[in-house]
Amino acid sequence: GESVGLHLPTLSVQEGDNSIINCAYSNSASDYFIWYKQESGKGPQFIIDIRSNMDKRQGQRVTVLLNKTVKHLSLQIAATQPGDSAVYFCAERGGSARQLTFGSGTQLTVLP
Amino acid sequence: DAGVIQSPRHEVTEMGQEVTLRCKPISGHNSLFWYRQTMMRGLELLIYFNNNVPIDDSGMPEDRFSAKMPNASFSTLKIQPSEPRDSAVYFCASSSGTGIQPQHFGDGTRLSIL
Repeated sequence: GESVGLHLPTLSVQEGDNSIINCAYSNSASDYFIWYKQESGKGPQFIIDIRSNMDKRQGQRVTVLLNKTVKHLSLQIAATQPGDSAVYFCAERGGSARQLTFGSGTQLTVLP
Repeated sequence: DAGVIQSPRHEVTEMGQEVTLRCKPISGHNSLFWYRQTMMRGLELLIYFNNNVPIDDSGMPEDRFSAKMPNASFSTLKIQPSEPRDSAVYFCASSSGTGIQPQHFGDGTRLSIL
């Protein structure tokens, strides 16, 4: 029979445009959130993190926004480059445990 | 700085064989995590250690899976006997125990059980 895998949301953007990748989380007790980038054949690479007492944090070309009211996290990438093409995962940490729960990921494709 | 180092990068073996995956965490990190990634289930936590002690192994699929951390710089994940459904990419990650710190991942072991 046909196997059913995870359906990865996809986002295609033109090189130079800004990208916004969204993530909904489920645990209202989560106190820490991370965005990872995973390129083919590699492990997830840490991009940026944010604690629940913040609603915005900026890095180099990236910004993470946290809306605890609607349990929503977003990653904004400015001036998207071909090297940004990858799968992006959000992860949440629920309270005192060290475990992270990962989302299913979003495939970002940067078009020339 | 050396990141998390995993070996082997690829492993192909026949079902029923014992498989051992290895991980060297980042020096100074005292938490270590083993994950499995598949197309069907995404990234799943199998087990994690803090200061070499297993804290939560609720994600380990069944008794065929075991993990050890004999010292702060080495961990193994063993599957015995292996089955085709164990085919996946297995990742090791480590983090510093000081405050809330991100996990840093190795590049994984791609395991194929024939």
